Amino acid sequence: DAGITQSPRHKVTETGTPVTLRCHQTENHRYMYWYRQDPGHGLRLIHYSYGVKDTDKGEVSDGYSVSRSKTEDFLLTLESATSSQTSVYFCATTPDEGGSPLHFGNGTRLTVT
Amino acid sequence: GDSVTQMEGPVTLSEEAFLTINCTYTATGYPSLFWYVQYPGEGLQLLLKATKADDKGSNKGFEATYRKETTSFHLEKGSVQVSDSAVYFCALSEGYSTLTFGKGTMLLVSP
Repeated sequence: DAGITQSPRHKVTETGTPVTLRCHQTENHRYMYWYRQDPGHGLRLIHYSYGVKDTDKGEVSDGYSVSRSKTEDFLLTLESATSSQTSVYFCATTPDEGGSPLHFGNGTRLTVT
Repeated sequence: GDSVTQMEGPVTLSEEAFLTINCTYTATGYPSLFWYVQYPGEGLQLLLKATKADDKGSNKGFEATYRKETTSFHLEKGSVQVSDSAVYFCALSEGYSTLTFGKGTMLLVSP
C-alpha cells in the first residue's frame, strides 16, 4: 500500500457545523485526490491537488474546500455540513498523471445528522 | 465528456463459475483503462490495467482486453472464489485528466 492514512475513520456531526477530514501520505506522491462514494453514484471527484498549494475542483466541489500546505497532507473541509454530505470519503494519491494508478486510503465514514 | 458504464449488480455466482462484468466507455482520445476492486470496509485497489488498444491486463486470474472498436474493457475470470466477493469498478484516464469511474458492480460468490 502507498501508506495513506485517513482520519478520522468515522465521524458523526450536526448540520451546520464545520468538519475537516485529513489525508496523510508517506510516499511523496505529487497528486492527491478527494472522492466521495455514494450508492448508485460510484466515486465522484470532489477536489484534487497537483502540488503544494496547487488545487483544483472536481465534479462535486460545492460545499467543500481543500488545502495542501505540505506534500504529505491534504485536508478536506466541509464549511457547513449538510445531510447531503453524509457519505464515505476516500483520499487517493498517485506519483504522476497520464495513466498511473491511484492508491487509496481506507475511507472516512461521515454522518451528518 | 468521458464516461464509463458498467453492468448493474449484484452479480451472484456459485464458486468456480465463470465471471464476466461488462464495461464500456466514452472518451475523446485514447484513454488508459483500469479495473479496481473494493473489499468491504476498505479503499479501492488496482486490479489490472491496459494502456492501449488490444492490450490485455491480468492479475489474480482476472483478465480484461482493451477493445477500441467496441469501446469495451470487460472483466473476466474463469473460476471465481468466495474470496472474490467485492465491488468492482471500471475506470478510465485520458492523458492528463483525472480518473473517471463507473458506478461499480457488486459480485457475490456463494460456496
